Amino acid sequence: AQSVAQPEDQVNVAEGNPLTVKCTYSVSGNPYLFWYVQYPNRGLQFLLKYITGDNLVKGSYGFEAEFNKSQTSFHLKKPSALVSDSALYFCAVRGVPFSGNTGKLIFGQGTTLQVKP
Amino acid sequence: GAGVSQSPSNKVTEKGKDVELRCDPISGHTALYWYRQSLGQGLEFLIYFQGNSAPDKSGLPSDRFSAERTGGSVSTLTIQRTQQEDSAVYLCASSLESSGGLNTGELFFGEGSRLTVL
Repeated sequence: AQSVAQPEDQVNVAEGNPLTVKCTYSVSGNPYLFWYVQYPNRGLQFLLKYITGDNLVKGSYGFEAEFNKSQTSFHLKKPSALVSDSALYFCAVRGVPFSGNTGKLIFGQGTTLQVKP
Repeated sequence: GAGVSQSPSNKVTEKGKDVELRCDPISGHTALYWYRQSLGQGLEFLIYFQGNSAPDKSGLPSDRFSAERTGGSVSTLTIQRTQQEDSAVYLCASSLESSGGLNTGELFFGEGSRLTVL
């Protein structure tokens, strides 16, 4: 079965420090991996995705994520956190459609990132 | 419109009543999803429409929930005989995806419909 795990409900970092939000996944075949962000009282926005190629992908607002196939992980990172990065972050995965797999996108439970001045 | 539009934005109903939530996806987007987000919870997958393929209904929590997508565009999520545990924000998203191939498109989300069942 297809699933995503975000082991931390909340991550706290000081402004200017690096941040990591963890994500592990389970899916048949090659994964397509995504990160989305939800700011307070706003809709979800796409941040970045891994489809194929370089394991390190860069996205919006200075975020990046590293795909690690052996560890089935896709952790979100940023070298220097900003207070404005405080939000709810979701990791998501879909697999390649085949018999029995529609290729739907499944989200993790979300991780709240708090960046303190 | 330019984005995914959902209506109503807020709905308060009494337990046992039926409700309909509407989603207008981005024009030309072939894929449409419904998710549910309860307070403090993650995004729970409900249903996935992809082009002319049969929808993936595997996330619908009970037979009180159903969804249709007419003409490959507008979608309606119907909840019959609402219960208090149905209270949540219902999110719709659309995407431009190829059918049966590499579904690499990102989702564009609406602002959601907040449902409160009293």
